Formats: sequence, structure tokens, C-alpha cells
Amino acid sequence: GAGVSQSPSNKVTEKGKDVELRCDPISGHTALYWYRQSLGQGLEFLIYFQGNSAPDKSGLPSDRFSAERTGGSVSTLTIQRTQQEDSAVYLCASSFSGRKETQYFGPGTRLLVL
Amino acid sequence: GENVEQHPSTLSVQEGDSAVIKCTYSDSASNYFPWYKQELGKGPQLIIDIRSNVGEKKDQRIAVTLNKTAKHFSLHITETQPEDSAVYFCAASGGGGADGLTFGKGTHLIIQP
Repeated sequence: GAGVSQSPSNKVTEKGKDVELRCDPISGHTALYWYRQSLGQGLEFLIYFQGNSAPDKSGLPSDRFSAERTGGSVSTLTIQRTQQEDSAVYLCASSFSGRKETQYFGPGTRLLVL
Repeated sequence: GENVEQHPSTLSVQEGDSAVIKCTYSDSASNYFPWYKQELGKGPQLIIDIRSNVGEKKDQRIAVTLNKTAKHFSLHITETQPEDSAVYFCAASGGGGADGLTFGKGTHLIIQP
């Protein structure tokens, strides 16, 4: 079956512009996660969605970052007024239900802010 | 919350030799420990996982061991091959807090021909 998909795979933008990153989770998975991975670094948790519950936004680094999940499926991560330090790989993952279960990752979106 | 330490950060082994990556965790209530492999330009992929009711699990050349008393778990890769070269992440979850998976910082495994 289809895994987690993300688009675009690469994004180059200018400092100050807004960007939107998209994630399609595995069909039937109710939990969805966003992570950020800077070059050569580990996985930094950003936000978690579970069903219709309020998302856990505790990992968002600033108010320039936001995410939504429409219809309990597709999610969009938005970064407003991008800064050069936002350059990273943004990874999306999904799991069948709870956040303590196996997470399946997408290929990531590589964001470069010039 | 949970804290996961992973060592070494870089590991270079000769092709055919074994590789061992170790992780320690802080929350004794954690009960699920997956390992992910991330190849260059790709997302992390689950390669093996273990739950706290077992001490060891094997899948062909890959094995994971868990010592709950010492709060550490290890990934063992035998007969390493060039395609094993990647970054490996350990993680822990299921602890008493609300957090999900907590990841280690990763180990860059290099297989020397």
C-alpha cells in the first residue's frame, strides 16, 4: 500500500516569503506528526495531530510556524516570513492511532531559505 | 520527560564485520523501542522494534537487545554490507508522560569496503 507522501520534495524560497508543505498520511492512520531535521542532526518534534483532538503544538519553534489537518487526513505545515535558520528537512510521519505506536515517515521536504 | 542518549555518533566498520549501536533511556516506564534507518535523501524507515516484554529480537542480520534493569538497548548488525551505510536512530516511548517517541541523535554508520 501507499506510504506517507510529502510535497514538494524540494523547496527553495527567499527570506521573508511564506511556504506551505504538504503531507498525505497512510490511509486509515489517525495520528500525524511533523518533525524538523537540520543538516546532520536528529529529529526535532514540531507538532502532533490525533483524530479530532486539539493538536499538540509544544514543539513549534515560533509563532511563524503553524499546521493544520483537514478532514483528519492531509496536513499542511506553514512557515511565515521564512528565515535562513528555517532551512532544514521537514519530515511527516503517521501512525495507526496513539502517539506511542510505530511511526512511518515520509521522504521529507528539503527547504532552503536564501 | 524521556531522554534518549545514543552512542557512538559515528561508527566505521569493515565490510563483513559486526556493528553495535547503543542507546540508553531515562524513563523506566518506557516499553516500546524502535530503530530507524535513514539513507541519504530519504526519510527514516523502521527496521526493527522491540517491546519490553522480550529481551531480544532478530530479523536476519539485524538484532535488538533490551536490558530494562539498566535501561539500555542496542542494535546489532552482523555481516555488514555496503548498503548498511546510513544514519540509524533509536527511539523510546510508552513512558508515563504524554510524549510520544523520543529519538536519539543518530549514529552515522560507515561500511568500509
